[in-house]
Amino acid sequence: GAGVSQTPSNKVTEKGKYVELRCDPISGHTALYWYRQSLGQGPEFLIYFQGTGAADDSGLPNDRFFAVRPEGSVSTLKIQRTERGDSAVYLCASSLIDGRPDNEQFFGPGTRLTVL
Amino acid sequence: GEDVEQSLFLSVREGDSSVINCTYTDSSSTYLYWYKQEPGAGLQLLTYIFSNMDMKQDQRLTVLLNKKDKHLSLRIADTQTGDSAIYFCAESRGPESGGSYIPTFGRGTSLIVHP
Repeated sequence: GAGVSQTPSNKVTEKGKYVELRCDPISGHTALYWYRQSLGQGPEFLIYFQGTGAADDSGLPNDRFFAVRPEGSVSTLKIQRTERGDSAVYLCASSLIDGRPDNEQFFGPGTRLTVL
Repeated sequence: GEDVEQSLFLSVREGDSSVINCTYTDSSSTYLYWYKQEPGAGLQLLTYIFSNMDMKQDQRLTVLLNKKDKHLSLRIADTQTGDSAIYFCAESRGPESGGSYIPTFGRGTSLIVHP
C-alpha cells in the first residue's frame, strides 16, 4: 500500500478482555514502531522492531503488553487483561532502515482503543 | 517534570508569523524535531535539526535551537488556515549517547489560525 495502515480504526472492549491491534507498514520498511497517545498527550514510545526482532521494548508499560512481527512486515500489538487506563490511540510507524531522522518515520492513522 | 514541554495553545491571524516554543531537559539530545498532527491524519515529520546546529530553514519554516538553554522554536511565516493543527516538539538520542533515535514527544501545541 501507499502508506502505513492500521486495523481496526476503532476498538471498544470491556475491562479484562484481550485485544489485538494490527499494523501494516510501508512495503520494504525494516523498522517498525508502536506508540500510544493518550488524550491531550504526545505519542509515547512502546516498542521498536528491526526486522523480526524487538530492538527496543523499553516503552512497554508492563507484561500485559506484547508485540510480534514474525515475518518482518505486519506487526500485532497484543494487550491482555485490558484496563480502563489502556484507552488511547495506538499509533504505528515504519521507516526504511532505522530511527535516524534521515530515515523518516511514516505514521499510520492509529487505532482508537476504548476500554469500558 | 516532563522531558519536553510546550505551551498548549497558540492563536494567530492568517498572514502573521507563528512561533511555537519548546524546552527540553536532556542535555544529550542528538536530534530535535517538529511534527504536525492534523485531525484524522497521521503524525507527519515537518523538520528536524541536529543538536550541533542553531538554525535550519525550510521554505516557510524556521527552526531555532538554543542548546545552552535547551530551547527550540518553530517559526511559520505567512501562516495559513491550513497550518491549523497540533505541533509536537520531540527530541531523541543517538546510539553514541545510549539511545536508538526514538523520539520523546511533548504534549503538543494547538495552533489555531483565524481569518
